[in-house]
Amino acid sequence: GAVVSQHPSWVICKSGTSVKIECRSLDFQATTMFWYRQFPKQSLMLMATSNEGSKATYEQGVEKDKFLINHASLTLSTLTVTSAHPEDSSFYICSAEDRGENTIYFGEGSWLTVV
Amino acid sequence: QKEVEQDPGPLSVPEGAIVSLNCTYSNSAFQYFMWYRQYSRKGPELLMYTYSSGNKEDGRFTAQVDKSSKYISLFIRDSQPSDSATYLCAMDNFNKFYFGSGTKLNVKP
Repeated sequence: GAVVSQHPSWVICKSGTSVKIECRSLDFQATTMFWYRQFPKQSLMLMATSNEGSKATYEQGVEKDKFLINHASLTLSTLTVTSAHPEDSSFYICSAEDRGENTIYFGEGSWLTVV
Repeated sequence: QKEVEQDPGPLSVPEGAIVSLNCTYSNSAFQYFMWYRQYSRKGPELLMYTYSSGNKEDGRFTAQVDKSSKYISLFIRDSQPSDSATYLCAMDNFNKFYFGSGTKLNVKP
């Protein structure tokens, strides 16, 4: 099956700094990618939908200036957490839509810890 | 009413049991149906996806879709401790995806 690579898997950053997470579709082109946040023992929470070449669509309550999303190519979307704070510590997961198969594939997720 | 309803569990079964995981949905326009498995601290992994009503089998897994009842199921035969995970259903409506909240399954040795 299709593979979506997410990097880094783990990242620790200091409060106030920014951190970038990459999501790549390895063997298909993804016009649309999605970014989620997941708290322990809770379900996925959709943060934003990223469309190649256009601005991301953010879900209600998600600060677009804090969570910057860029989808510059058909195989890469990035999420930048700006001015990170400890409450931003979470598990962030991306997914990419394979329109040929009409399904989506998830990345392995990135654990962010802000200290 | 949520678009997709899924019992969060947890569901605890002995090894070797047949497991039935279910989701109901409200939008009759959903066309594609998917099941994902998520192990702790990992991203969800696509298990199966189906388009039409009926059954689709892959090894120990069977996905069933009943569009008339707006009900989908995932059956796991001869369940193993390694099947212990959270199972998410998902469905698609013109490239907008909706997820269930996930059912946590624990298969006891």
